[in-house]
Amino acid sequence: KAGVTQTPRYLIKTRGQQVTLSCSPISGHRSVSWYQQTPGQGLQFLFEYFSETQRNKGNFPGRFSGRQFSNSRSEMNVSTLELGDSALYLCASSRGDSGNTYEQYFGPGTRLTVT
Amino acid sequence: SQQGEEDPQALSIQEGENATMNCSYKTSINNLQWYRQNSGRGLVHLILIRSNEREKHSGRLRVTLDTSKKSSSLLITASRAADTASYFCATVPMDSSYKLIFGSGTRLLVRP
Repeated sequence: KAGVTQTPRYLIKTRGQQVTLSCSPISGHRSVSWYQQTPGQGLQFLFEYFSETQRNKGNFPGRFSGRQFSNSRSEMNVSTLELGDSALYLCASSRGDSGNTYEQYFGPGTRLTVT
Repeated sequence: SQQGEEDPQALSIQEGENATMNCSYKTSINNLQWYRQNSGRGLVHLILIRSNEREKHSGRLRVTLDTSKKSSSLLITASRAADTASYFCATVPMDSSYKLIFGSGTRLLVRP
């Protein structure tokens, strides 16, 4: 089985721009979660989607949004980028149908640099 | 903000020695998981322990969970240079499923 893929792997944007990151889960997985990793704040949960519905959301401003498509692929969007948005954005997938969160399979991440 | 704190923040040991990492968390949990991350790449799931379990083994890994103290430990026995990585505990809160709350991580260096 192919693993979780994320595109692009690296991205450089300017303050004020917006960005869209993409995640393709493992085949058969219907849950996709997004995390932000920074040296200062560590790993923080952004949101989780299952069958195109957001089931949980972290404490991030409304500039951070996401969606999931019928094929379980997911995108996250960050609008009006700030320098503090520079981070490694990780996507994780799982079956998601067990009523809770168990083993997550992570992608390699997208490294976003905001200048 | 992170729920969990891990200690030590960094650990350097000789190949063949055992490595122990500790994790503390704040709220009631459904389960606790440990992940490994190599050099800022994606995380790899190592082991999961449910809130009603006290100890679990997987190969060279041993995890304990003490829900009364809200703490867990990860023991890696007979460490290898390839174990060099950052290790994170992650909890699934009882009142908020479908997310992982990560600890601050322990950077492990295994010297050949």
